[in-house]
Amino acid sequence: EPEVTQTPSHQVTQMGQEVILRCVPISNHLYFYWYRQILGQKVEFLVSFYNNEISEKSEIFDDQFSVERPDGSNFTLKIRSTKLEDSAMYFCASSDGGIKDTQYFGPGTRLTVL
Amino acid sequence: AQKVTQAQTEISVVEKEDVTLDCVYETRDTTYYLFWYKQPPSGELVFLIRRNSFDEQNEISGRYSWNFQKSTSSFNFTITASQVVDSAVYFCALSEDRNYGQNFVFGPGTRLSVLP
Repeated sequence: EPEVTQTPSHQVTQMGQEVILRCVPISNHLYFYWYRQILGQKVEFLVSFYNNEISEKSEIFDDQFSVERPDGSNFTLKIRSTKLEDSAMYFCASSDGGIKDTQYFGPGTRLTVL
Repeated sequence: AQKVTQAQTEISVVEKEDVTLDCVYETRDTTYYLFWYKQPPSGELVFLIRRNSFDEQNEISGRYSWNFQKSTSSFNFTITASQVVDSAVYFCALSEDRNYGQNFVFGPGTRLSVLP
């Protein structure tokens, strides 16, 4: 069964460093998403991406964040200069598209900013 | 803006008991989608069910069942004869209809502990 994959599973970084989180969505899906979950809290939407551009973003997704689909398979989230409060689990998701799709989530990347 | 409430923060049951997880949502849209996801201790998010706003039929899948009631804006989830492997955080989520992509709003989650 196709699945969303994410690497790395855990990333530790120093405050101020740049990190890139990688995702491989399900191959025939057209819509891609990033969410984050601060430990013990609910899952929060960051951004959705379709047709090589951002279609929606939340207020969390400020100028420190960017997303890219550098090739036909990867979907990346970059945090330019990490802060302590960026420590969270980051989930990538993908969906078929259209109005009746379901998002399938990857296993997450736990980001720890020291 | 849409909103999802899961009033039960934590529930503990003994194995084989039935348990119902509550979900109440708010939206102004007439077309929307409701979801349940399971997050086991390993951390991944596992899709359980999607329901659109025009389909109020209850659904049963094995030990899982869902009760969608538009009149009370609720989409409750029942596990029958619970098992230890059901221990997880369960999230209810709401998606409004958008042209490009979807903006999920998750509830705060209910942590279910099933004790042997």
